[in-house]
Amino acid sequence: GAVVSQHPSWVICKSGTSVKIECRSLDFQATTMFWYRQFPKQSLMLMATSNEGSKATYEQGVEKDKFLINHASLTLSTLTVTSAHPEDSSFYICSASEGLNEKLFFGSGTQLSVL
Amino acid sequence: AQTVTQSQPEMSVQEAETVTLSCTYDTSENNYYLFWYKQPPSRQMILVIRQEAYKQQNATENRFSVNFQKAAKSFSLKISDSQLGDTAMYFCAFGSSNTGKLIFGQGTTLQVKP
Repeated sequence: GAVVSQHPSWVICKSGTSVKIECRSLDFQATTMFWYRQFPKQSLMLMATSNEGSKATYEQGVEKDKFLINHASLTLSTLTVTSAHPEDSSFYICSASEGLNEKLFFGSGTQLSVL
Repeated sequence: AQTVTQSQPEMSVQEAETVTLSCTYDTSENNYYLFWYKQPPSRQMILVIRQEAYKQQNATENRFSVNFQKAAKSFSLKISDSQLGDTAMYFCAFGSSNTGKLIFGQGTTLQVKP
């Protein structure tokens, strides 16, 4: 089956620093990638839709300047949490598909802890 | 906007028995997909079952089956012969055919007891 690789699995950083999370589709070309955020024992909240070669579409309430998304190639999307603060601590998950209405595959997630 | 509601925060079932998890959704779209995902303690999202809204036949995957009632906007998951490895959080999700986005319900934590 298709594999989506997400790195790092966990990261601890100091308040005010920026953190980059990578999401790669290993055996297919992902025209669309999605970024989710999940707090403990809660649901996955969609943050943004990332389309290759174009600007990301952010969900309402998500700060685009705080969460920078780049989808520079058909196999890689990155999420950068800029000037991270403790309230940004969360589990971030990416997902990718080959196209609209195709199966969606999830990365293994990144636990971000901001001190 | 689409919404997905799972009204059972927690459920438990004895090993080998059957359990049903409920899910309702709301949408104005006519073509869409519905999913059940499993999230074990590892937090890896695992697809359990997928249903295309245009198909009347309920999807089945081994011990997992759904009861899809399109008019009622209901999409429940039945797990037969429950196994200890089924212990996880289960999410119902709505997939838009227009955008490809998945919108998740609140989740149901299922514990299978020996």
